[in-house]
Amino acid sequence: DGGITQSPKYLFRKEGQNVTLSCEQNLNHDAMYWYRQDPGQGLRLIYYSQIVNDFQKGDIAEGYSVSREKKESFPLTVTSAQKNPTAFYLCASSIIRHSVSGANVLTFGAGSRLTVL
Amino acid sequence: AQSVTQPDIHITVSEGASLELRCNYSYGATPYLFWYVQSPGQGLQLLLKYFSGDTLVQGIKGFEAEFKRSQSSFNLRKPSVHWSDAAEYFCAGRTGFQKLVFGTGTRLLVSP
Repeated sequence: DGGITQSPKYLFRKEGQNVTLSCEQNLNHDAMYWYRQDPGQGLRLIYYSQIVNDFQKGDIAEGYSVSREKKESFPLTVTSAQKNPTAFYLCASSIIRHSVSGANVLTFGAGSRLTVL
Repeated sequence: AQSVTQPDIHITVSEGASLELRCNYSYGATPYLFWYVQSPGQGLQLLLKYFSGDTLVQGIKGFEAEFKRSQSSFNLRKPSVHWSDAAEYFCAGRTGFQKLVFGTGTRLLVSP
């Protein structure tokens, strides 16, 4: 079955450490996204990519970095510069239909929960 | 600024009762609108979407939503709630190629 795989499911980090969250999709989607979820704040966009080797900052990109070397993969690195990294991180992907742009429905992975100790 | 508002943080409904979750949007043009559901510790699953045409949209799991331009609303409804419907529900919207904007979510509790 096609889908999005995020790993690890749970991750603990000491302050000052960088961590990388994995996101892999086998849906042949062009676009991929990273969201951060905090209680009572909904989902906030961190980074997104519409094509290999290209990505754009979202609303809260500070302290995060991404790469898109393969269509299937969009890893997110949470750096030590991120002041409050404890959160639930969601990866998503979508096709890009330029004729009906709003039709680009997002498919989500199961998420990764990062806790800073 | 484009925004989606879910005014209810929590809602408790008795099993078998009807449900309505509120969503209001603020966009210059008619947005594309979505409802997603999230079970604890899981990702989001699409329930339904509105692009154009018929203002009453049917989704999965017996949910429906009605787009009302005059009220800038896209409320989610279900005639009879099941205990398995307990989850968090997110409304989202976008126009054109703009990014998808999510509401803050409504947590649904189902009482026996």
